[in-house]
Amino acid sequence: DSGVTQTPKHLITATGQRVTLRCSPRSGDLSVYWYQQSLDQGLQFLIQYYNGEERAKGNILERFSAQQFPDLHSELNLSSLELGDSALYFCASSVAAGLGQPQHFGDGTRLSIL
Amino acid sequence: GEDVEQSLFLSVREGDSSVINCTYTDSSSTYLYWYKQEPGAGLQLLTYIFSNMDMKQDQRLTVLLNKKDKHLSLRIADTQTGDSAIYFCAAFTTPGGSQGNLIFGKGTKLSVKP
Repeated sequence: DSGVTQTPKHLITATGQRVTLRCSPRSGDLSVYWYQQSLDQGLQFLIQYYNGEERAKGNILERFSAQQFPDLHSELNLSSLELGDSALYFCASSVAAGLGQPQHFGDGTRLSIL
Repeated sequence: GEDVEQSLFLSVREGDSSVINCTYTDSSSTYLYWYKQEPGAGLQLLTYIFSNMDMKQDQRLTVLLNKKDKHLSLRIADTQTGDSAIYFCAAFTTPGGSQGNLIFGKGTKLSVKP
């Protein structure tokens, strides 16, 4: 158990809809990362937050947004969903945002778009 | 940008050693990681190595880094059926002086035959 909690485990929805994925980092970790894992693209970094502030941005679509709250949990919002958004979404956390901090992953949310 | 490559499959017999190889392109990558993903689970951090090290050993795991060739390997001694999983290599890179993020390979599926 990594200590990173993601909910829900599975989400099934339709195209055009909006969903929110939730992540609670390990106790003591200030930095949260979001990743998308799909068969064709592999694991892609989406975005990082540190202590409530956006720290780094990867291949995140404009239809996606995230935030980190004062209690350090984070939410990833996906809107105007398309079939191609079906994937596993992982959250990871680390103690700080510094160089190469080891990231610990949650078990992921599997999103299926019908 | 950084590209991380791994072979997709490796099959070994129980009790043998497994060697999973990885190459990366960005010579300024500072930290290199190995993660393990079992079916239906998240990524488990196995080990990592800083770029000024050549080798790191942790129980049955040995990581070798050839910085000149930008080649990383993970050796699992006395491989067990419980080691069957997908192994991901990841490099921490700071493209264009950004805060940096992890770039993952596509993963190597290790199958251990009894």
